Order: sequence, then structure tokens, then C-alpha cells
Amino acid sequence: DAKTTQPNSMESNEEEPVHLPCNHSTISGTDYIHWYRQLPSQGPEYVIHGLTSNVNNRMASLAIAEDRKSSTLILHRATLRDAAVYYCILSLPQGAGNMLTFGGGTRLMVKP
Amino acid sequence: DTGVSQNPRHKITKRGQNVTFRCDPISEHNRLYWYRQTLGQGPEFLTYFQNEAQLEKSRLLSDRFSAERPKGSFSTLEIQRTEQGDSAMYLCASSFGQGYGYTFGSGTRLTVV
Repeated sequence: DAKTTQPNSMESNEEEPVHLPCNHSTISGTDYIHWYRQLPSQGPEYVIHGLTSNVNNRMASLAIAEDRKSSTLILHRATLRDAAVYYCILSLPQGAGNMLTFGGGTRLMVKP
Repeated sequence: DTGVSQNPRHKITKRGQNVTFRCDPISEHNRLYWYRQTLGQGPEFLTYFQNEAQLEKSRLLSDRFSAERPKGSFSTLEIQRTEQGDSAMYLCASSFGQGYGYTFGSGTRLTVV
């Protein structure tokens, strides 16, 4: 299984942009890059996903390196509600059920 | 549709008892997943259904665990003869499939005493 590497924790100031890095050097050509976040006592929440091109949605932006061996989740203006554990995950190919294998994630702390 | 619904939200049971959890996925989603999460860890995959067929099971799913998804709609996860090590948050998610995100429920927190 392709693995991801993320920093254990990061800090940000409120209303500043946050760049959450993820390394996935063994990614295969068919693996999607997913980002989820989990607030305390809640299930994970989908943030964004992509394959090759950069992606934007109302929550965040996903910047994918040209060689796809790394990606960065960008929160454009952090709020206190963005404090959560952020998981970078590679999805297995379709034949294997598209299961998501979660790692330890990055705990984002947002300071007022 | 209000998302993925899981019941109950909390369950406390005595060791050795059987418990059953229910998950109602988003109706259009044909894929359903069960995960388990212990404190401070990321969710761990347990099993996966495509419609009513159970297509994948993790080695974590011992013979005390069984999951069903009759008619490809809601799913149940049963744990027989519960042990203290089964205490965890049990999460259900549904999806359209490859290339689509998952929608998770809020989970069922099991405490075995």
C-alpha cells in the first residue's frame, strides 16, 4: 500500500493561510489523493481530493506536485473551527474497493 | 438526505455481551464502509460492501465480528462476546466509489466494561 507522511502537528494564527504538507513518494498512477479532517468527537469530514491537477472547492485548495510525490492542502484563511486532525490519504485502486487507509494525520492548532 | 446516520451514538455493554450497530448510508451511494477508531489513532478499515455484497474484510475483523447489508441499503455491524479491547468508536461511511469522497457518520462509541 502506498503510504503518506505528514507532520504530527502544526500551528497557525487565525485568519492566516495554512499549508499542510503531505509526502507520498510511492504513489501509483491510479491513486487519488484525498484529504479529510476530523474534529473532536466527530467522524472524519471530506475536505478535497484530486488525481493530477490542482483542485479548489469552498473549503480548501489542493496543490499536487508535478511528479505527484507530494501534495499540499491550503486553507486560505484559518479560523478557530479549522482546528482538527487533517488526514492525507491515498485511495486504493477501484478493484480493491477504494478503501481509504488513514495514517496519524496532522493536528492543526489555530491560535486566536 | 441528511447524510450518513449511525445508531446508537453511544453504547455501554458488559464484557461477554453481544452488541449491534446500525448504519444508514446516503441512499444514492452503493459503497458502504465500516471503520474502527481508538483514542489518538486514525480510523482503521474493517469491511466494505458494494450494494449487498461484502467484498473486503480486514484481518482486524475477527470471527466475533459480522456485518451485513441486506438489500444494499442500511448495514449492521454485530460484535459477539464483546471484550474490553473492542472499546472504540465505530464509524460508517458511504461513497459513490473510486474518484469520489466518503461521507462519514458521527460514529457509535462502544465502551465495554
